[in-house]
Formats: sequence, structure tokens, C-alpha cells
Amino acid sequence: DIQMTQSPSTLSASVGDRVTITCRASQSISIWLAWFQQKPGKAPKLLIYKASSLESGVPSRFSGSGSGTEFTLTISSLQPDDFATYYCQQYDNYPYNFGQGTKLEMK
Amino acid sequence: QVQLQESGPGLVKPSETLSLTCTVSTGSIIDYYWSWIRQPAGKGLEWIGRIYSSGSTNYNPSLKSRVTMSVDTSKNQFSLKLSSVTAADTAVYYCARDLGSSALGDWGPGTLVTVSS
Repeated sequence: DIQMTQSPSTLSASVGDRVTITCRASQSISIWLAWFQQKPGKAPKLLIYKASSLESGVPSRFSGSGSGTEFTLTISSLQPDDFATYYCQQYDNYPYNFGQGTKLEMK
Repeated sequence: QVQLQESGPGLVKPSETLSLTCTVSTGSIIDYYWSWIRQPAGKGLEWIGRIYSSGSTNYNPSLKSRVTMSVDTSKNQFSLKLSSVTAADTAVYYCARDLGSSALGDWGPGTLVTVSS
């Protein structure tokens, strides 16, 4: 199985900050990585697929980069609605494992 | 986008079989992959597996011996069965449309299944 490790586990930030979350795969997954945002009591929402492709309707302040084993999700200017938990998921090899999550909280 | 809705018993006894159905509306089930994901309270997401509209399946090896997925194209539904459940299977279960290279683009709202006697 491919293990996905996110860092940090918790991130404290303020509105307007630029934030970056990292996701590392235990082996190369090329570009087959997705990022999701999840708010309490809600289903995850797809933000980024194929490592850097922005899902339709997702604000352009979200961006993804990386390939191989190291990936990042960047929010260029944090908005109040962005405080949530973020997950990466690889879909290169079965099982399509998720990272453990990064909780983005208000400083 | 499609709309998905999970349904099934919210309470299952230990050692019994958990059965859930996902109904796909505002779109066809044909020519797509359909996935199940679960999330225990306060924990992360676990990919259970996926099924193609033709019936071809891929399961998480950690659950493979207990999981069965099926699809009913006439009803635009797909289903999950998880046998021999224990308290560790208590979770919110989500169904989702797997867009292949475009990942899990559409999700149901999720349904809580509790395993308890």
C-alpha cells in the first residue's frame, strides 16, 4: 500500500495569510493526487485533482503543485470560509489511501 | 454534477452484515466508477473500494474479505455490503462518483452506521 503523510497535522493561521499544506507519498504516484476540504458534519469537497488541476467552481486562491512523492496545497489569501480540515488522496494504486488530514484553525 | 444519497439501517448488530445503497439522481450510473469511503467519528477517511457500472470491482485489501459491492443500473443504484461487523466498523459511510483521472468529484451527504447490540 502507498502511505500518504500530511504535514502539519494542525495549522493555525489568520485571515489573509498564505498557507501551505504538504502531502508526501511513500512511493511515486506521478500526478495522481487529489485534495479535499471537509467541514464538520459535511462530506469532503474536491478542490484539486491531478495534483494541480482546479475543480470547477473552486476559488482560484486554492492551488496545488508537485509530482512524484511530494505535493503541496496552497491557499494564497486565507478567507473565513477556508477554516476546515484538508485531506490528500492518491489514486495511482489501489487502495486509494488518504492522508491523515490537516486541520486549519483560526489563530 | 450528480446527486447521490446513501440509505440503509443506522444500527447494525455485531457479527451481522452492514448493507447500504447509494441512489444516483440527476445523472446516469452508466460508464462511471462509484466508490464507498468511510470515516469513524473524529478520524480520517478510509477508501473502501469502487465498482464500475459493468460490475467490475476494486476493494481495499484491508476489508476485501468482508466487502461486496454491486450495481443495479435499472435503478441507478449501487450497494455496499460489509459482513461480520464489529464496533470498529462504526462510521459515517459516504458514496461518491469516481471520475477516474478527475478523482472523487461528487459525494453523498453520508450516513452514520453504528455497530452495537
